[in-house]
Amino acid sequence: DAGVTQSPTHLIKTRGQHVTLRCSPISGHKSVSWYQQVLGQGPQFIFQYYEKEERGRGNFPDRFSARQFPNYSSELNVNALLLGDSALYLCASSVTSGKGNEQFFGPGTRLTVL
Amino acid sequence: GQQLNQSPQSMFIQEGEDVSMNCTSSSIFNTWLWYKQEPGEGPVLLIALYKAGELTSNGRLTAQFGITRKDSFLNISASIPSDVGIYFCASGTYKYIFGTGTRLKVLA
Repeated sequence: DAGVTQSPTHLIKTRGQHVTLRCSPISGHKSVSWYQQVLGQGPQFIFQYYEKEERGRGNFPDRFSARQFPNYSSELNVNALLLGDSALYLCASSVTSGKGNEQFFGPGTRLTVL
Repeated sequence: GQQLNQSPQSMFIQEGEDVSMNCTSSSIFNTWLWYKQEPGEGPVLLIALYKAGELTSNGRLTAQFGITRKDSFLNISASIPSDVGIYFCASGTYKYIFGTGTRLKVLA
């Protein structure tokens, strides 16, 4: 079974540019979450989408936006890139089991802003 | 951003030893997840806990959801070199808060 896939794996941008990251969830999962992981820290929640609707948003500026498509894949967009946006961006798909909500992560997209 | 407190921050152990780490929060949560992350990869889900007092095992790994619902523990028995990595706890509902991580190194 295919896990969560993300593209691209690596990306280099310069300050002020825009970036789009993509994620395909595990088949059958309707929810996608995005996290930012800065080197040496745990992942920080950015967004969650469920059934194409934004379900939650973390403490990130409006430069960060996302959307979910009818096939449940998702895009994360970041405008006006700053040096501090350099990080590993993780996508997680989830299914709500009888007990709770387990999130499964993709390999991430490594974004470097110069 | 808000994070959970994990301890220890790092540990070096000999192969075959048992490992214990914990995670604490000032808030009550309904779910605790434990992940392992290796360099250049995304976190891999190890164990999920949904009920206070719950004790769950996955091979050599055992995790417990604290009675107070503000903490969780992960134990690894008879460690092997491939256990090396960063272990994260996470708690929440759909919006998960992650711990600061415990970096484990196993000496053969």
